Amino acid sequence: KQEVTQIPAALSVPEGENLVLNCSFTDSAIYNLQWFRQDPGKGLTSLLLIQSSQREQTSGRLNASLDKSSGRSTLYIAASQPGDSATYLCAVTRNDMRFGAGTRLTVKP
Amino acid sequence: DGGITQSPKYLFRKEGQNVTLSCEQNLNHDAMYWYRQDPGQGLRLIYYSQIVNDFQKGDIAEGYSVSREKKESFPLTVTSAQKNPTAFYLCASTENGPRETQYFGPGTRLLVL
Repeated sequence: KQEVTQIPAALSVPEGENLVLNCSFTDSAIYNLQWFRQDPGKGLTSLLLIQSSQREQTSGRLNASLDKSSGRSTLYIAASQPGDSATYLCAVTRNDMRFGAGTRLTVKP
Repeated sequence: DGGITQSPKYLFRKEGQNVTLSCEQNLNHDAMYWYRQDPGQGLRLIYYSQIVNDFQKGDIAEGYSVSREKKESFPLTVTSAQKNPTAFYLCASTENGPRETQYFGPGTRLLVL
């Protein structure tokens, strides 16, 4: 059974810092990996989707990488802003989607 | 605006009561999903439907039921058999199947009185 782990569970950084969020999964036979953002009490918003054949995807200040063979993905956020404060979840898909528990990010002004 | 709506935002359930959570989408998506989110845990799949009048159980279907009579609607009923229903419930959809970007509704928080 696919297990998805996100470390750390919570992270607090000063504004302007570059940061990396980590996601690991136990079964490398995935179709794709997605990163989502969730604000408190809200639904999820898809940030980036990486197909299994891809190594990375970029959107603005966000860059997600995928190393399928080692079962790892990272989400890189450049020049963090207070508005980036949220919980970030990764999810891997094969026949269904499996989610990690998320990393709660706080960016302090 | 295209999207997914869920209602109500908050729902209170009394002991032994069945309650129904609404999920509607106007994205013309074929597939719809229900997830449960508990504090400190990832989302867990309750039920999903890839086409009208067809649905499959996810990992935690016990105590829940669904219907898919219309493409745009996928209501979830939390039955009295679900002994620990307090959670945040999220509905999602994809155009065809689970290997695509999932679009989520705003969620319903269910509390037990």
